[in-house]
Amino acid sequence: DSGVTQTPKHLITATGQRVTLRCSPRSGDLSVYWYQQSLDQGLQFLIQYYNGEERAKGNILERFSAQQFPDLHSELNLSSLELGDSALYFCASSRGDGADTQYFGPGTRLTVL
Amino acid sequence: AQSVTQPDIHITVSEGASLELRCNYSYGATPYLFWYVQSPGQGLQLLLKYFSGDTLVQGIKGFEAEFKRSQSSFNLRKPSVHWSDAAEYFCAVAVATSGTYKYIFGTGTRLKVLA
Repeated sequence: DSGVTQTPKHLITATGQRVTLRCSPRSGDLSVYWYQQSLDQGLQFLIQYYNGEERAKGNILERFSAQQFPDLHSELNLSSLELGDSALYFCASSRGDGADTQYFGPGTRLTVL
Repeated sequence: AQSVTQPDIHITVSEGASLELRCNYSYGATPYLFWYVQSPGQGLQLLLKYFSGDTLVQGIKGFEAEFKRSQSSFNLRKPSVHWSDAAEYFCAVAVATSGTYKYIFGTGTRLKVLA
């Protein structure tokens, strides 16, 4: 158990819909990272937040957005969903915003029908 | 551009045999390197990491990796594989960007262990 929690575990929705994925980092960790894992794209970095502020952006679509709240939990919002958005979405946390070890949550499996 | 290459998509070994998983990176500065393991239906777990110092690093579950700067490689090894090692293994490099670091992952190597 990494100490990072993600909810929900599974999510099934339809094209065009909007969903919110939630992540709680390990106690004391200030950074939260979001990743998308799909069969054709592998593990792709989406976005990082550090202590409430956006720090780095990766291959995140404009239809996706995220935020980190004062209690340090984070939410990833996916809107206008397409079939190709079906994937495993992982959250990871680390102590700082350097090259720290990242601890991964169990993931949310999103299925878009 | 920075990248991580894991040339072997699948590897099959017999239980008790030795294992080496290859990882090559492309990054101009001093690399921070990691190996993660992902069991089916699970998140990624850190096996080991290299930041500086001794180029041979020891990790959990009996794994080790050797950093070779001249070859831009960070190969993962285990002298004797157990059936429970069957999983997917990811190599990653942390690259500096805009005052922080982001991870770039390889495409993974899926390990199958024969009894």
